[in-house]
Amino acid sequence: DAKTTQPNSMESNEEEPVHLPCNHSTISGTDYIHWYRQLPSQGPEYVIHGLTSNVNNRMASLAIAEDRKSSTLILHRATLRDAAVYYCILRPTYGNKLVFGAGTILRVKS
Amino acid sequence: DTEVTQTPKHLVMGMTNKKSLKCEQHMGHRAMYWYKQKAKKPPELMFVYSYEKLSINESVPSRFSPECPNSSLLNLHLHALQPEDSALYLCASSHGVRDRGPNSPLHFGNGTRLTVT
Repeated sequence: DAKTTQPNSMESNEEEPVHLPCNHSTISGTDYIHWYRQLPSQGPEYVIHGLTSNVNNRMASLAIAEDRKSSTLILHRATLRDAAVYYCILRPTYGNKLVFGAGTILRVKS
Repeated sequence: DTEVTQTPKHLVMGMTNKKSLKCEQHMGHRAMYWYKQKAKKPPELMFVYSYEKLSINESVPSRFSPECPNSSLLNLHLHALQPEDSALYLCASSHGVRDRGPNSPLHFGNGTRLTVT
């Protein structure tokens, strides 16, 4: 399984943008980049995923480097409810395997 | 609320007991997953069912026995567990690889908190 590297923790102020980085230098051409988050006392929640192009949805944006060796999850305006563990995961195109790494603990200050 | 329902929410069992965890989804998903999560650690993949057939077993001890009786239900049968098996057990589901294209997102339940005494 290809590995991802994320900072252990990050802190943000409420209503400011947050950029969560992820390095994945061993990514293969068929790996999608997935982001999930896990709020306290809940199961993980899908946030966004992409292959090569940047992606936007109602929750966040995903910026993927041109060489695909890194990506950044962008929360445009952090709220206290965004405090969670954020996981960056590489997933093969045709496969059901989703393997979590250590993740980044995001703390949001009011 | 999640669209994947897990029961029970909490379970305490002795090392000689037999119990089952249940998971149900009605989203038409054909892939279902079991994960185990210890405190302050990421979820660890245990099993994957694809179109009701076991497709991935991550070398899980035989005291954990999965079962997928139909496309909406997933069970995890527990027998002769050890205290170190105490954890949060998460179920998830997604569209199958033959449906809706590859890389369908996973939908997780909120888990069963298992304590083995």
